[in-house]
Amino acid sequence: GAVVSQHPSWVICKSGTSVKIECRSLDFQATTMFWYRQFPKQSLMLMATSNEGSKATYEQGVEKDKFLINHASLTLSTLTVTSAHPEDSSFYICSASSPYRVGANEQFFGPGTRLTVL
Amino acid sequence: KQEVTQIPAALSVPEGENLVLNCSFTDSAIYNLQWFRQDPGKGLTSLLLIQSSQREQTSGRLNASLDKSSGRSTLYIAASQPGDSATYLCAVRIGGTYKYIFGTGTRLKVLA
Repeated sequence: GAVVSQHPSWVICKSGTSVKIECRSLDFQATTMFWYRQFPKQSLMLMATSNEGSKATYEQGVEKDKFLINHASLTLSTLTVTSAHPEDSSFYICSASSPYRVGANEQFFGPGTRLTVL
Repeated sequence: KQEVTQIPAALSVPEGENLVLNCSFTDSAIYNLQWFRQDPGKGLTSLLLIQSSQREQTSGRLNASLDKSSGRSTLYIAASQPGDSATYLCAVRIGGTYKYIFGTGTRLKVLA
């Protein structure tokens, strides 16, 4: 159990376009989802926390108008990188958690999405 | 502000060695600590989770300990194998939240 998927697994886009990344909890309802960014050979940096049905909470330094997060259902959160630029190229990883399931103290991570902006 | 540091940053050992990876954190008010493995270009695989009230957890050849008061955790890998080669990340969950702060990672290479 506790499977989290991401789609797409990799995407290449032109500078100036917008890209949407989906994060789904497949076998549990995730009240909270998290989005992380990982640059090459660096650790994961939390970008934002999203709770189902409410606005996301962004970490300091993360532009909320650039990284749009929607958590419209208990199994789906989306991250849209608007007007992407080469410096947005990174590995984006989501995680999901729920206080209502076994392992409520854990976060379950998706496989990540590699974004390359040309 | 919670900061998580891992030492060493990189490690290369011959197959069969027992090894220790270190993780330190600045704020002891944590909810739990988790160790992950990340293969190149891949997501995270959870290895061990230690609650703040626990001292250690074991899974197979892996043993993780936690000393919350001193802000330290160690991951012990017994009889290392080439398949253990990966980056190992520790992460602490901030008390009262679901937020995790990740360490800088240790890149492990086990030579056959």
